[in-house]
Amino acid sequence: GQQVMQIPQYQHVQEGEDFTTYCNSSTTLSNIQWYKQRPGGHPVFLIQLVKSGEVKKQKRLTFQFGEAKKNSSLHITATQTTDVGTYFCADSTGTASKLTFGTGTRLQVTL
Amino acid sequence: EPEVTQTPSHQVTQMGQEVILRCVPISNHLYFYWYRQILGQKVEFLVSFYNNEISEKSEIFDDQFSVERPDGSNFTLKIRSTKLEDSAMYFCASSHRFAGREQYFGPGTRLTVT
Repeated sequence: GQQVMQIPQYQHVQEGEDFTTYCNSSTTLSNIQWYKQRPGGHPVFLIQLVKSGEVKKQKRLTFQFGEAKKNSSLHITATQTTDVGTYFCADSTGTASKLTFGTGTRLQVTL
Repeated sequence: EPEVTQTPSHQVTQMGQEVILRCVPISNHLYFYWYRQILGQKVEFLVSFYNNEISEKSEIFDDQFSVERPDGSNFTLKIRSTKLEDSAMYFCASSHRFAGREQYFGPGTRLTVT
């Protein structure tokens, strides 16, 4: 079956440093969604990318969809302590659009 | 802002017992989902539900699992005979009328099977 892997598994940065998580799928992605899960919380939708090569920005967050639609990335510029959490990419497939989540990247930010 | 709610927040049960996890999706949403997350791991799809029937289910969703929408607001997940490995956080999610849109997750029910 489809596998969606993310690297790194964990990253610890100082506040103000940049952070990037990479998402790679074993199959072509229909579209890619990104979710953030705070410690002890539930996944919260961040964004959806649909087109090959698409780049979207949300303030300090930049999301990119690969040309071949098999990978995606999330880049955070100048991290803040509020960015702490686990970031998941997820492929949305089928008529009922079940989400196949990636393995996640846990981000820790310290002062 | 509308949100998905789930009850209970934490359920402790003994192996072999039946549990029912309850969810109230966002009122104008038509697609409903259950996911689970074992501690420290990724979120895994269990089942999707649309138009009063299961649309898709994963290998995890075996005969011990069932879902129901008993009325216009509730969406339930039943596990008939719980196993130790069913211990996890269970998230309900719902989505707007068109598939392929973002999913809104509830706060989850932590199920502990002893």
